[in-house]
Amino acid sequence: EIVMTQSPATLSVSPGERATLSCRASQSVSSNLAWYQQKPGQAPRLLIYGASTRATGIPARFSGGGSGTEFTLTISSLQSEDFAVYYCQQYNNWPPFTFGPGTKVDIK
Amino acid sequence: QVQLVESGGGLVKPGGSLRLSCSASGFTFSDYYMSWIRQAPGKGLEWVSYISSRGSTLFYADSVKGRFTISRDNAKNSLYLQMNSLRAEDTAVYYCARYSSGWYFDYWGQGTLVTVSS
Repeated sequence: EIVMTQSPATLSVSPGERATLSCRASQSVSSNLAWYQQKPGQAPRLLIYGASTRATGIPARFSGGGSGTEFTLTISSLQSEDFAVYYCQQYNNWPPFTFGPGTKVDIK
Repeated sequence: QVQLVESGGGLVKPGGSLRLSCSASGFTFSDYYMSWIRQAPGKGLEWVSYISSRGSTLFYADSVKGRFTISRDNAKNSLYLQMNSLRAEDTAVYYCARYSSGWYFDYWGQGTLVTVSS
């Protein structure tokens, strides 16, 4: 099973600032990585797939990068609606499909 | 538009059973692979089970293998999760989710809460 880790667990950012979230896989997942955003009381929403491709309707301030075992999600200028928990998920080796533990982005 | 609506959650005693349903609309359900994913209170996401588009291939997380059964009825545009021998650690919000053309989840339902407690 591929184990996903994310850092930091919590990221405190001011509105308008840049946020960079990290995701690491225990072995290479190539570019088969997705990012999701989850707000309290809501289902997760797909942001990024293929490590760097934005899903339909996702604003350009969200960008993904990396391959192999190291990945990043960058939010270029945080808006109020971006404060949420972000999860990465690998889909290179499955089952199981595995998620990282999440990074909470909160207001500084 | 794509909609996934779960139902069937509730309070059940340890050792009990529950059947979750997920009603799909806005897309050709029979063309898509589906999964159940759960989230314990205050915790992260855990993939539970997968079913192929025709229901011929099934996979389960080790934590539920032998206790949960995934199924689908393409004529009714519905996905199911039969949960038996429930444990306290199965307490979670259960989401049904659709796989995109790749093996990531492009649409999720709103979730249904399952609470296992005496």
